[in-house]
Amino acid sequence: EGQLLESGGGLVHPGGTLRLSCAASGFTLSGYALSWVRQAPGKGLEWVATISPTGRGYYAESVKGRLAISRDNSKNWMSVEMNSLRVEDTAVYYCAKVLERWLVQDTFDMWGQGTAVTVAS
Amino acid sequence: QSVLTQSPSASASLGASVNLTCTLRSGLTNYAVAWHQKRPEGGPRFLMKVNSDGSHRKGDGIPDRFSGSRSGAEHYLTISGLQSEDEADYYCQTWSVDLSWVFGGGTKLTVL
Repeated sequence: EGQLLESGGGLVHPGGTLRLSCAASGFTLSGYALSWVRQAPGKGLEWVATISPTGRGYYAESVKGRLAISRDNSKNWMSVEMNSLRVEDTAVYYCAKVLERWLVQDTFDMWGQGTAVTVAS
Repeated sequence: QSVLTQSPSASASLGASVNLTCTLRSGLTNYAVAWHQKRPEGGPRFLMKVNSDGSHRKGDGIPDRFSGSRSGAEHYLTISGLQSEDEADYYCQTWSVDLSWVFGGGTKLTVL
């Protein structure tokens, strides 16, 4: 059974940088769009970014210009570099796999367990 | 007007059935909608996707107790034979080139 595992979360000061990673096991990420979705404390789910199977990035307005998503199919791995972090970026970040292969616009059928990011001084 | 509107909370008794509603904004009634379950611990869980024609695809291992339907702009997630482990937050979601990926505000389901 396939699964996704996030890593890289932690405590960072406002204005700082953090890189989150998402590793897949039990299946290949190649051909699938992959996304980051976050949940701030006491809030709902919020889409953050998506990378297409060919490496094109899509970003929510709230993070555009501050995040860079990337993938390495040979390592079965995806990551996002988060720059100029703000207090409001504090959340648990989940990676998710898009349902259908080679589709970008689709729902997410597999989720990781999440990694917590805290931005505070 | 939000893209997806959900009631903040719902409750039903153990063994009963409950319908959770998700309303698409006017003009978006032909969009597909997916449902995800989020328990307090762990990541979300994909339940199902309901297409504009009413066809659906369920996630792996999702019991038959969970079903989805739609009527116009209204999407419904029905959970029958409620169990204690069904107590969770339920999110509907839609997506498009113009909208990107959008979640409803979520419904907190309490099993009495």
